[in-house]
Amino acid sequence: QQQVKQSPQSLIVQKGGISIINCAYENTAFDYFPWYQQFPGKGPALLIAIRPDVSEKKEGRFTISFNKSAKQFSLHIMDSQPGDSATYFCAALGGGSEKLVFGKGTKLTVNP
Amino acid sequence: NAGVMQNPRHLVRRRGQEARLRCSPMKGHSHVYWYRQLPEEGLKFMVYLQKENIIDESGMPKERFSAEFPKEGPSILRIQQVVRGDSAAYFCASSPTRSPYGYTFGSGTRLTVV
Repeated sequence: QQQVKQSPQSLIVQKGGISIINCAYENTAFDYFPWYQQFPGKGPALLIAIRPDVSEKKEGRFTISFNKSAKQFSLHIMDSQPGDSATYFCAALGGGSEKLVFGKGTKLTVNP
Repeated sequence: NAGVMQNPRHLVRRRGQEARLRCSPMKGHSHVYWYRQLPEEGLKFMVYLQKENIIDESGMPKERFSAEFPKEGPSILRIQQVVRGDSAAYFCASSPTRSPYGYTFGSGTRLTVV
């Protein structure tokens, strides 16, 4: 049972373009939605996170948009750079649980 | 300020052998979480431990897998009689409190069963 669905599986954008990754969740008890960035051979690193009381959060070139009624959230990477090439995971947490529930990941490639 | 340290980075085991994966949490962190990442999959929760206690092992396979976090030393994830399906990347994360918000992951152990 996959509680967080992530799309697309892979994404190729040109340098300077906008990368958009989408996630949908089922459990309305989730109250924390982080995005992780993972480079090959490394562990996931927290990139940015949002709680459902706000609809958008921006940190530098990274923005999370959150739609509570649709149970969806997305990551936007503005002015994408080759150094952003990595796998991105959305995740969700809540309901008193300590377990992060991850999406399956999106492999982003930014071409120079 | 060292991060979460996992070793070994790579581990090769023959079917039927035992695998022992170690995780040293960040200094001051007493809460450890283990996750498994299968190829082309996201991370899946396995177990949550505090010093000398297993708090939640709902994600652990019922057989062959065990975890501990002793009073002294690293947390250990132990897999007995490994099978090919155990091949995966195993990550641990640590946090200073029970709350896992923003906890820090290690670089993982890549287990290959041949």
